Amino acid sequence: DVKVTQSSRYLVKRTGEKVFLECVQDMDHENMFWYRQDPGLGLRLIYFSYDVKMKEKGDIPEGYSVSREKKERFSLILESASTNQTSMYLCASRKAGGGSNQPQHFGDGTRLSIL
Amino acid sequence: RKEVEQDPGPFNVPEGATVAFNCTYSNSASQSFFWYRQDCRKEPKLLMSVYSSGNEDGRFTAQLNRASQYISLLIRDSKLSDSATYLCVVLRDFGNEKLTFGTGTRLTIIP
Repeated sequence: DVKVTQSSRYLVKRTGEKVFLECVQDMDHENMFWYRQDPGLGLRLIYFSYDVKMKEKGDIPEGYSVSREKKERFSLILESASTNQTSMYLCASRKAGGGSNQPQHFGDGTRLSIL
Repeated sequence: RKEVEQDPGPFNVPEGATVAFNCTYSNSASQSFFWYRQDCRKEPKLLMSVYSSGNEDGRFTAQLNRASQYISLLIRDSKLSDSATYLCVVLRDFGNEKLTFGTGTRLTIIP
C-alpha cells in the first residue's frame, strides 16, 4: 500500500519565519507534488517534481520553493511566511508511466497557521 | 472561467436515494478524467477514473461527454458512508501529469 507521510499534521509559525514542510513516500514514485487547499478554491498546485533535483512551478509558486535531493523526499519551503499562506498543504506522489490513469496518492495534509 | 467547475452543493440526500453530480471542464484537449473523494479533514483519494465509454464500479457510475465537455458521477442506493466531498479532476498536461481539481461537491446522506 502506498504511503505518503507529511512531517506535521498541524503547525503554527510566525510571520517572517522560514518554514519547512517535509513529505516522504515509500513507493519509489518519480513524480511528487505540493498543493494547497483553501475553501472555495479547491486544490491548487504550488510545485511539482518529476525526478531527483528536478522541479517545475505550478500555478501559485510565489513565496515558495522546493527541494528534491532524494527520490523519496520532497520538501516545500516558505521563504518568509506570511499570513496569506495559512492553509492546508497536501503532498502527493505518483508513479510515472503506466498510463495516464495512474492516481496521485496524497499525504494526510499539514494544516499551517501563520500568525 | 475556471478550468474545472462543479456545483459546490451541499447535496442533502436521504439514504437509499440516487444522486448525480456534474462537472464541466474548459480545455477541450484534456485527456484523462477522475473522481476523487475527500472526507472531512482528510486527504483526497481516488474514487474512479472516467472512461470515454462510461464505467461502473459497484454503485458508482461515471460518464464522460466530450462534445459537451462534462463529466458525471452517479451514486445509486446511497449509504451514510458516502457522505463526503467529491472532487472532479482533469489531467491537463499529459507529459507532466498535472491535474486540475474542481472545488468539490459536498454530499451528505441523511438517515
